[in-house]
This record gives sequence, structure tokens and C-alpha cells, in this order.
Amino acid sequence: KQEVTQIPAALSVPEGENLVLNCSFTDSAIYNLQWFRQDPGKGLTSLLLIQSSQREQTSGRLNASLDKSSGRSTLYIAASQPGDSATYLCAVYYGGSQGNLIFGKGTKLSVKP
Amino acid sequence: ETGVTQTPRHLVMGMTNKKSLKCEQHLGHNAMYWYKQSAKKPLELMFVYNFKEQTENNSVPSRFSPECPNSSHLFLHLHTLQPEDSALYLCASSSTTGPNSNQPQHFGDGTRLSIL
Repeated sequence: KQEVTQIPAALSVPEGENLVLNCSFTDSAIYNLQWFRQDPGKGLTSLLLIQSSQREQTSGRLNASLDKSSGRSTLYIAASQPGDSATYLCAVYYGGSQGNLIFGKGTKLSVKP
Repeated sequence: ETGVTQTPRHLVMGMTNKKSLKCEQHLGHNAMYWYKQSAKKPLELMFVYNFKEQTENNSVPSRFSPECPNSSHLFLHLHTLQPEDSALYLCASSSTTGPNSNQPQHFGDGTRLSIL
């Protein structure tokens, strides 16, 4: 069964810290992996998408890495800010006509001022 | 503004009611999706439409009935729902879907559904 696991489930850090969120997936035959952010009561905002042939993607203070062979991805957030507080979701895409993403349960991040 | 709009934002209904959720995307995409997000569970894909054709029904009970009249609009018709159907229902769209699709999915803000 294809599953995605995110650790930790929740994380609280002081403002300014660099932090790492982890995502692991059981089936390494992915097409791509996507990191999302979800604010309370809102939908998902796509942060970064890494193709299976790529090792990392960067956007501003965010850097996502992908190690397909070990079934792992990390999302690195530099110099965290209170505005980064949200739930971060990892999702993998295995291709096929249905186009469905397999999601993890997310990591709830709280950045304290 | 996400480019994907869902209405209503909140819905409370009894188990015998019939209601519909609406999703509209302004991104020129051809694929649209319904997801269910329950507390403490990962998002679950429900339905996928590609160029108005349903390409996936992920073992969803028949009390949920999707409709995609065109590539910009997606509906989810609800009837005789159960309390366990209370959840956040999210709509998403992407350029297309398929075996080699590498396009990100764009999500709406969801409809929070509560079944009494």
C-alpha cells in the first residue's frame, strides 16, 4: 500500500530558527512530490514541486530535497517567522490516468514571536 | 485569491437533505478533483475529471454524486449523508492529468460540511 508519513506531527519553534520537516513514502516509484501549506480554515497552497529526476527545489526561504531511493523528502525553512505558522503537507504523485496525490497527515508548525 | 473558488464555505445539513457543493476554476485548467479532509486523516481523493470526463471514482459511496458540465465547473451533489461524512471538502484543478503529468494542483479553500 502506498503511504506517506510526516514527522513530527507538530512542531513549535522560536522565531528565527531554521527548521526541517520530514516526509517519507513507502513506494519510491514516484513521478513527483509536492509540498503544500494549509492555514486554518483554508485550502492548500502549493509551495514546491520536485520532479522525480530532481534532487531539490528552492523558493525564497524554503528548500525541498528529494531522495527517491530512500523514499524521503525534507522541507527546510530558514529563519522562521510567525507567519510561517501553518500545517505543512507532503504529497506524492505516482502517475496513472487518475492523477491522484497521496497525502501525509501533515506537520503543524507554530513559530513563536 | 487562489483561482479556485468553492461555495458555500460552510454547510450544515440534516441526513435527509439534498445539497450541492460548487467549485469554479479561473486558471484555464482541464483537470478537476474532489478531495475529502477529515480530522486526523490524510486528504482522500474522491473523484477526478479530465476534459469533463470522469477518470477516477475512488470507491466513493453513491450518496456523493459529482457533475462536471465543463472544464471550469465541478459540482458535488449530496443526499442522505451520514454523520461520518462531516469533513472539509476540497476542490482542486491542474492543467491536465495523466501518466506523465507534472503539473501542480491548485486548491480552493474548501466547504466545511457538518451533518446533523
